[in-house]
Amino acid sequence: QSVLTQPPSVSGAPGQRVSISCTGNSSNIGAGYDVHWYQHLPGTAPKLLIFGNSNRPSGVPDRFSGSKSGTSASLAITGLQAEDEADYYCQSYDSSMSGLYVFGTGTKVTVL
Amino acid sequence: QVQLQASGPRLVKPSETLSLTCTVSGDSVNDYYWTWIRQPAGKGLEWIGRLYPSGTTVSNPSLKTRVSMSLDTSKNQFYLKLSSVTAADTAVYYCARDRGLLSGNYFDYWGQGILVAVSS
Repeated sequence: QSVLTQPPSVSGAPGQRVSISCTGNSSNIGAGYDVHWYQHLPGTAPKLLIFGNSNRPSGVPDRFSGSKSGTSASLAITGLQAEDEADYYCQSYDSSMSGLYVFGTGTKVTVL
Repeated sequence: QVQLQASGPRLVKPSETLSLTCTVSGDSVNDYYWTWIRQPAGKGLEWIGRLYPSGTTVSNPSLKTRVSMSLDTSKNQFYLKLSSVTAADTAVYYCARDRGLLSGNYFDYWGQGILVAVSS
C-alpha cells in the first residue's frame, strides 16, 4: 500500500550520476512534510541516507544528495560506485487515512 | 552506538498471534519513540505502528484492529503482537527508532529484521 511512487529501477555505470524520484500528493510531501531516504541491502537493516529532505547523517558520503519540490522529492547519487547497488526507499509523514508514515515503492539501483 | 535486535518465533500458524520483541541497547526506550515496520517478500516497506515512551500507541489503519504494542522499561524492550494472522502477514519485520514529529519523523536506527512466515 505504498503511497509514494518511485521508479522500479535505475542504472548507471561507475562514476555516473543517477537520480531517483519520489512522487506523493497533497497529504504528504505536498503538505510540506519532510522526505527521508533509506538504502537497503538485502538481508541487512535499512540505513538512513538522507533526512529532512537534504541532510546527510554522519558517515554518509556527500555523493548522496536529496531535494524536494512541491509534491515530489529526489535522491541523486553522483560518482556511482559498485557498493551503491541496493534498494532505495523514500519516506514521509502523511496526514490522511494512510497512516502516520508512508514509504515509496522502492527503486533498485544497478551499477553496470 | 544504538542497536536494535528483533526476536521471536519465525513460524506462526494462520489465525494465531504473531509476537515479536525488540531489544534496544545503547539507548533507553524511555527517551524516544519506537516503530515497527514490515516488508513482505518482493514488496515495499509498510509502517505498522509507533510506540510512545508513555505506552501510548498509534498504528496503521489497515492493521489497527489486529495490532498491539507495548514496552518494558526494565528490560529496555518493546513488543509487537499481530493477531489473526494470515499468509499475507508473512514478511520481514523490522523495529526502528522513531525520531517523532518534532525531530522530523524519520527512523534513524533499525534492527536487522526477522523473517516471520505464516503457515500451517
